[in-house]
Amino acid sequence: GDSVTQMEGPVTLSEEACLTINCTYTATGYPSLFWYVQYPGEGLQLLLKATKADDKGSNKGFEATYRKETTSFHLEKGSVQVSDSAVYFCALSDGSGGGADGLTFGKGTHLIIQP
Amino acid sequence: EPEVTQTPSHQVTQMGQEVILRCVPISNHLYFYWYRQILGQKVEFLVSFYNNEISEKSEIFDDQFSVERPDGSNFTLKIRSTKLEDSAMYFCASRASGTRTDTQYFGPGTRLTVL
Repeated sequence: GDSVTQMEGPVTLSEEACLTINCTYTATGYPSLFWYVQYPGEGLQLLLKATKADDKGSNKGFEATYRKETTSFHLEKGSVQVSDSAVYFCALSDGSGGGADGLTFGKGTHLIIQP
Repeated sequence: EPEVTQTPSHQVTQMGQEVILRCVPISNHLYFYWYRQILGQKVEFLVSFYNNEISEKSEIFDDQFSVERPDGSNFTLKIRSTKLEDSAMYFCASRASGTRTDTQYFGPGTRLTVL
């Protein structure tokens, strides 16, 4: 079955540091890949997505590139801010269920940015 | 911007009681989902719903769970006889279409506490 593996946290960085959160996946189909973010006390918000190989999703300074050859979708940001402190979830949708399939999530990475 | 809403935000119940969690998906969306997140763990898919019937369900979604779209706007999750291990955050999501590239939009969640 499908699975998503992401680095476990917490990851603690200083403000303006570079960020990489690793995510690799296993899927039976040709998945779409997503990063969701969960701020403290809130629900899941879509951060970015990529739907085919070599696509780059980007939003709010975050980027992730769909790498089919390495089955990866690492999240990166060049300079993090305190407001980026949150839990980040990598997820995939393989589309094999005709749209009815649920997302498969990784365990989440808790990011803590210190001033 | 349209959003998914959920009520209540927090539900406390006694073990063995029935609870109904409510969701209002985005109005032109066709696919609806329920997920749960036990504290500190990853988000897990429960069930998807399309065209007034369950499309897919996970092994978590056993006979104590049911879903319904009682009218044109609400989407509900019923847990018939709650257990302590049902304590979790429950997220509703909706999606416009069945294409694998489409995004699922999540509500803010209902925190269920079973005592």
